Amino acid sequence: DAGVIQSPRHEVTEMGQEVTLRCKPISGHNSLFWYRQTMMRGLELLIYFNNNVPIDDSGMPEDRFSAKMPNASFSTLKIQPSEPRDSAVYFCASSRTGNSGNTIYFGEGSWLTVV
Amino acid sequence: ILNVEQSPQSLHVQEGDSTNFTCSFPSSNFYALHWYRWETAKSPEALFVMTLNGDEKKKGRISATLNTKEGYSYLYIKGSQPEDSATYLCAFRSSNTGKLIFGQGTTLQVKP
Repeated sequence: DAGVIQSPRHEVTEMGQEVTLRCKPISGHNSLFWYRQTMMRGLELLIYFNNNVPIDDSGMPEDRFSAKMPNASFSTLKIQPSEPRDSAVYFCASSRTGNSGNTIYFGEGSWLTVV
Repeated sequence: ILNVEQSPQSLHVQEGDSTNFTCSFPSSNFYALHWYRWETAKSPEALFVMTLNGDEKKKGRISATLNTKEGYSYLYIKGSQPEDSATYLCAFRSSNTGKLIFGQGTTLQVKP
């Protein structure tokens, strides 16, 4: 099992540039989560998809952030334009739905630095 | 607003000590309670998923209990080892939103 795959692992970009983070969930999983981890706020849920449909995006900080899931095996989180305060680790996670006991598996994160 | 609180925020213990942490979560709309172990520069590693009031789960020296009626879970580590040093996160999954909301974590440091 390949696990949740995220890319890039590390990105350094200049303020104002567009950043696209990618996620491939575990095959067969139909729920996908994007989280942001910062020292101040811990792990924050940004958006949650179920069967490729965004269910809750109330955690998306502002209009500069957008997320898509065009199919069951791929999702993107885009920041445009990026700002230094967006610097954080962005985690993608996936799980099956339908059983409350299902584990949610995390990718290794994308470490973003905006200078 | 769903609030998940963990205490203590950090803990330093000696090798061999047993320790425990607390996770408090909303007592309504309960779906599941997850515990994760998180080491720096790695992804959170799932320890337990607990779904039933009174659940007790065990994995080696680590165990957890669940009380959904009063909204708390305890994580216990028996005979702590230096390799147990990590941040332990709990997360509450709500039945009406499906969201997984994390606490701020308890950071454990085990001194040899």
